[in-house]
Amino acid sequence: QQQVKQSPQSLIVQKGGISIINCAYENTAFDYFPWYQQFPGKGPALLIAIRPDVSEKKEGRFTISFNKSAKQFSLHIMDSQPGDSATYFCAARGTYKYIFGTGTRLKVLA
Amino acid sequence: EAGVVQSPRYKIIEKKQPVAFWCNPISGHNTLYWYLQNLGQGPELLIRYENEEAVDDSQLPKDRFSAERLKGVDSTLKIQPAELGDSAVYLCASKSGGDTDTQYFGPGTRLTVL
Repeated sequence: QQQVKQSPQSLIVQKGGISIINCAYENTAFDYFPWYQQFPGKGPALLIAIRPDVSEKKEGRFTISFNKSAKQFSLHIMDSQPGDSATYFCAARGTYKYIFGTGTRLKVLA
Repeated sequence: EAGVVQSPRYKIIEKKQPVAFWCNPISGHNTLYWYLQNLGQGPELLIRYENEEAVDDSQLPKDRFSAERLKGVDSTLKIQPAELGDSAVYLCASKSGGDTDTQYFGPGTRLTVL
């Protein structure tokens, strides 16, 4: 019940395309859902986050869609750029503890 | 504002040897986390500190791992003795107190056990 399932494991997108990464959870006590971006040799960095009382949040080219009833949330990267090539992790927080997904390796082709 | 600092960045040791990792969180951040990140996986929590108190160490393998956060600032994570399966990246993260959501990660220490 503490797991966060993330898909796909890897994703290849053409420059200018839309990248979509999905996550699902079971624990309804989770109260905060961040997405992290990680480049090789670096620690994860917060990209965008949402709380379960909001269905969508947009920051620039990045949008989180949240479906509370389905217990799913997704990251959409619009107009994907080669510089977006990185590993993306979804996470969920419950009782101050963050549970991370297994990551999606995104490659944006120039 | 300086970010979370970790050292060393890389460490190669023989199995059964001890190893220690150091973390300096962002100034003023009361909450400090140590995570383990295996290759191709997301971070997994090892221990969480609130100031100098370890409030969640349920995932820390206490037979070989230990951690401390003296004076509620810097923290050290130790493994003794190291095993081959301990090869991974050890990440430190910090967060200011209260209802603040964002945790900030350091660059990690990549440990290789031979």
